[in-house]
Amino acid sequence: QSVLTQPPSVSGAPGQRVTISCTGSSSNIGAGYDVHWYQQLPGTAPKLLIYGNNNRPSGVPDRFSGSKSGTSASLAITGLQAEDEADYYCQSYDSSLRVFGGGTKLTVL
Amino acid sequence: EVQLVQSGAEVKKPGESLKISCKGSGYSFASYWIGWVRQMPGKGLEWMGIIYPGDSDTRYSPSFQGQVTISADKSISTAYLQWSSLKASDTAMYYCARVSPLGYYGSGSYNDHWGQGTLVTVSS
Repeated sequence: QSVLTQPPSVSGAPGQRVTISCTGSSSNIGAGYDVHWYQQLPGTAPKLLIYGNNNRPSGVPDRFSGSKSGTSASLAITGLQAEDEADYYCQSYDSSLRVFGGGTKLTVL
Repeated sequence: EVQLVQSGAEVKKPGESLKISCKGSGYSFASYWIGWVRQMPGKGLEWMGIIYPGDSDTRYSPSFQGQVTISADKSISTAYLQWSSLKASDTAMYYCARVSPLGYYGSGSYNDHWGQGTLVTVSS
């Protein structure tokens, strides 16, 4: 049971916008720690998608965006594409330890 | 180009020892923390621990303290994860990942490059 809670699954049709939440508490996200997001395509290693709450590494499309407010963070994906079908993980800090969310499986209908 | 290349899949018996590796290239290996992440079959990511190859300073997640040993040899740009006595519950994919920014592992740091993973299977 992770201290960062993500919905187990979300889905959307191609072209739609979906959001994935990452809910924490006052000891992690609410304490001001940054949130980062990773994408794990089927059978591959995780890849950094968003760092520092809302920054995209070079090469990540601007369809992906991150935000943070209070004790929660969100990943938004606009213009959903079939290739976005993957597992998504948030990551932050809690009591001086790095923690991951439980992960969310995105299905493109 | 930054690359982390991990050693190949392993099949071991309970009680055996194992050491897997992660070789970095394309950057100053000694200057970035390297972490290890476990992913059990069908499950999420778990942070295991982290090492600074420059001086081998190592930190473990409480869940993995005493269960594994993390080490590094900066002369060959390689980090290691080892077990002295494997259990069936160690069956998982293990990833190494570089930590950015340079020289920092605290809050705000993130994993910008990942190895391809090493599958460890422990079965009698």
